[in-house]
Amino acid sequence: GQQLNQSPQSMFIQEGEDVSMNCTSSSIFNTWLWYKQEPGEGPVLLIALYKAGELTSNGRLTAQFGITRKDSFLNISASIPSDVGIYFCAGQRATGANNLFFGTGTRLTVIP
Amino acid sequence: GAVVSQHPSRVICKSGTSVKIECRSLDFQATTMFWYRQFPKKSLMLMATSNEGSKATYEQGVEKDKFLINHASLTLSTLTVTSAHPEDSSFYICSANKQGTEAFFGQGTRLTVV
Repeated sequence: GQQLNQSPQSMFIQEGEDVSMNCTSSSIFNTWLWYKQEPGEGPVLLIALYKAGELTSNGRLTAQFGITRKDSFLNISASIPSDVGIYFCAGQRATGANNLFFGTGTRLTVIP
Repeated sequence: GAVVSQHPSRVICKSGTSVKIECRSLDFQATTMFWYRQFPKKSLMLMATSNEGSKATYEQGVEKDKFLINHASLTLSTLTVTSAHPEDSSFYICSANKQGTEAFFGQGTRLTVV
């Protein structure tokens, strides 16, 4: 099935640093979603983007829906130890549809 | 926000036995739920779409006789791994969409077949 390419695959950063990760696809999506998954848990929705060019923030997190609708990025500012986890992007062709395609994930480690 | 609950969170079973995993939407009705499988350090792979009152839709390569899905009510879908083998050991996650919103995920079930 459709797979989204996510980069970087992993990151090791110092507490307080900013983080940036992105997701690209060969096809268009109408909704981009960013999830965080901690060990042994299901993904938790962080940010949802519905319009090309949209820039949305949730606390220290900011995500943008690319103009081409084929990419998205997520930024985390002033990282803290509890930001540790795996971040997944997901593309959806229509809200509520079952065609939710996941990125390969970015594993974030924050060094105190 | 919407809550999706999955049970059990961990299960260990003997090879050849069957295991049932439950997925419940706690504060909304879900006509459709989704079941994913996740291997260590990998992304989520959609296994099947569970449809209330009708047969599940399986993704290519997923054995429907191996992974039985039942969606008997608007708040409950179950995944039964039949005649489990060690290669079925994995993390299984369900999700459901509250009407008009994004998918919410359960906590996941870690299945270990020994």
